[in-house]
Amino acid sequence: DTAVSQTPKYLVTQMGNDKSIKCEQNLGHDTMYWYKQDSKKFLKIMFSYNNKELIINETVPNRFSPKSPDKAHLNLHINSLELGDSAVYFCASSQGFSRGTDTQYFGPGTRLTVL
Amino acid sequence: GEDVEQSLFLSVREGDSSVINCTYTDSSSTYLYWYKQEPGAGLQLLTYIFSNMDMKQDQRLTVLLNKKDKHLSLRIADTQTGDSAIYFCAEKAGGGNKLTFGTGTQLKVEL
Repeated sequence: DTAVSQTPKYLVTQMGNDKSIKCEQNLGHDTMYWYKQDSKKFLKIMFSYNNKELIINETVPNRFSPKSPDKAHLNLHINSLELGDSAVYFCASSQGFSRGTDTQYFGPGTRLTVL
Repeated sequence: GEDVEQSLFLSVREGDSSVINCTYTDSSSTYLYWYKQEPGAGLQLLTYIFSNMDMKQDQRLTVLLNKKDKHLSLRIADTQTGDSAIYFCAEKAGGGNKLTFGTGTQLKVEL
């Protein structure tokens, strides 16, 4: 009965490779997010999708491409991985109401290590 | 612009109260949140406060908001070892869904 799930939990890969991280939510939410948490624990939003439509796109290299096949899934594809991409990536979801609390629920994270 | 700051570390003894502070700069903040992150885990929402409130209590947690000074605090009463974690404040500003997170405070509870 996991609310927001991510796969894989750990990902170790070589520089230059292409990899994907998957996220699924079973909460019936309309909005999903990707966050990056660096080694100092700073947490910053990367993307947000509402009903499969991109609504937030922070300053993220275009090597990162989110894909939302349906509103329950938001996958993150990363091309040409670099050392600086090593981080923990968190997926989150919310009902998507701009007004109100619109609480975000987080997945367990994917720890990406680029060698 | 958005800038949310927290002190990096806090150490308390078991049974004492913990107070974690947060300052923010965006005066259009509508909701402010406290999240807890245990080692190797995701973020768990603890509580939130609407910007027109100045206090909210939820069991051992008390949130105080000073909107004039843009200062938010989280008080944990009777702190336990299980409270050891990183605590993030976050603000939601304007009409969008975007959350801006603070730098996180590592709380260590000692016996």
